[in-house]
Amino acid sequence: DGGITQSPKYLFRKEGQNVTLSCEQNLNHDAMYWYRQDPGQGLRLIYYSQIVNDFQKGDIAEGYSVSREKKESFPLTVTSAQKNPTAFYLCASSISGAILSSYNEQFFGPGTRLTVL
Amino acid sequence: AQTVTQSQPEMSVQEAETVTLSCTYDTSESDYYLFWYKQPPSRQMILVIRQEAYKQQNATENRFSVNFQKAAKSFSLKISDSQLGDAAMYFCAYWNSGYSTLTFGKGTMLLVSP
Repeated sequence: DGGITQSPKYLFRKEGQNVTLSCEQNLNHDAMYWYRQDPGQGLRLIYYSQIVNDFQKGDIAEGYSVSREKKESFPLTVTSAQKNPTAFYLCASSISGAILSSYNEQFFGPGTRLTVL
Repeated sequence: AQTVTQSQPEMSVQEAETVTLSCTYDTSESDYYLFWYKQPPSRQMILVIRQEAYKQQNATENRFSVNFQKAAKSFSLKISDSQLGDAAMYFCAYWNSGYSTLTFGKGTMLLVSP
């Protein structure tokens, strides 16, 4: 079964702690993305990567970090510098991030709900 | 920067009726893609329909169709014969070729009543 997995589904963190959200895809997609979803805000882009070993900041990158060491994996670390990390986080991938085509369709994982206690 | 506006935070429709969700966007590009995504209570994002800007013909997928007005920068979604399973949050999205990213609207919650 091809798809995108995110783990864990629910995550609790104490204030001041860093936490890493996992995102794995077996679709052989080049591009991967991280979004944050808050009520009434839609999806906002945190970081994205068009190719292995390369990534760019999105609209709300402050307090987050990523790595892209493998094509299939794009973990997101929420650092203690993120002032309001409680949110729903979605990971997505697409065949190609760089070419304008129907391949721009993004496929989404099931999401991780992060709650700061 | 491109912006996507969904002016209806919530819409209601009865089963078997038709409903139209509105979306407008701002861009200076001539070639781009537009998408409608559905997010049911499970929160799994599902692609509903896509439109290529250079195609004048409106996209259709079964009960879902769009009204794409390029000059007006409008991209509305029409759902015909609404079903209970259509109840979800619907997001309009614009493909930003300059940055190779999607810009999403804030969403419209669709409620479907029997």
